[in-house]
Amino acid sequence: EIVLTQSPGTLSLSPGERATLSCRASQNVTVDYVAWYQHIRGQAPRLLIYGASNRATGIPDRFSGSGSGTDFTLTINRLEPEDFAVFYCQQYGDSPLTFGGGTKVEI
Amino acid sequence: QLQLQESGPGLVRPSETLSLTCTVSGASISDVQSFWGWIRQTPGKGLEWIGTIHYTGLTNYNPSLESRVTISVDLSKNQFSLKLISVTAADTAVYFCARQEGAYKEGYPAVLFSFVYWGQGTLVPVSS
Repeated sequence: EIVLTQSPGTLSLSPGERATLSCRASQNVTVDYVAWYQHIRGQAPRLLIYGASNRATGIPDRFSGSGSGTDFTLTINRLEPEDFAVFYCQQYGDSPLTFGGGTKVEI
Repeated sequence: QLQLQESGPGLVRPSETLSLTCTVSGASISDVQSFWGWIRQTPGKGLEWIGTIHYTGLTNYNPSLESRVTISVDLSKNQFSLKLISVTAADTAVYFCARQEGAYKEGYPAVLFSFVYWGQGTLVPVSS
């Protein structure tokens, strides 16, 4: 199975700053089938990005995804207070579908 | 607005069967290009995909759990369900249900994409 490694484990930033989150796959992800999710404890996870770089419906343009092959990045420009959460990458190019271990973005 | 709500017992004993139901509102579970999945979050392994079902009954399971998992769909109630047999403490987790994008064509394996909508999740402890 494809193992996804996210880094850093925790990112400490202030509102208004930029967050750069990394997701590295143990092998090439087919057709860059990578998604990113935001999860605030006690709430439903929210899809941010699919297909490595496509924003999901209703997601602000301060969220962007990039990358291909084995290296993928989620960038959050100008952090808003509601953005502080845990972020997960997921690959759906190969079965079983797998998730990364998460990056916590804290104030 | 599509909403998903997990429901089930608050506690399961070791060796017994964990049963959860996901009620879908705001959309039909019979939509051809919609798939319905279960994901769990454990302290040790993070997020883990359990399996996915299409309204036709077509299922895909994570091989690590396939021998113990059954996912089924109830079209009349717009619900889908998860059964996990022979549970141990390692199955203690928050269980999420979700709608998953995918491509369905009769006679061909399903192609599964991202999880577009999720429920809030339900904590299921396994303990005696």
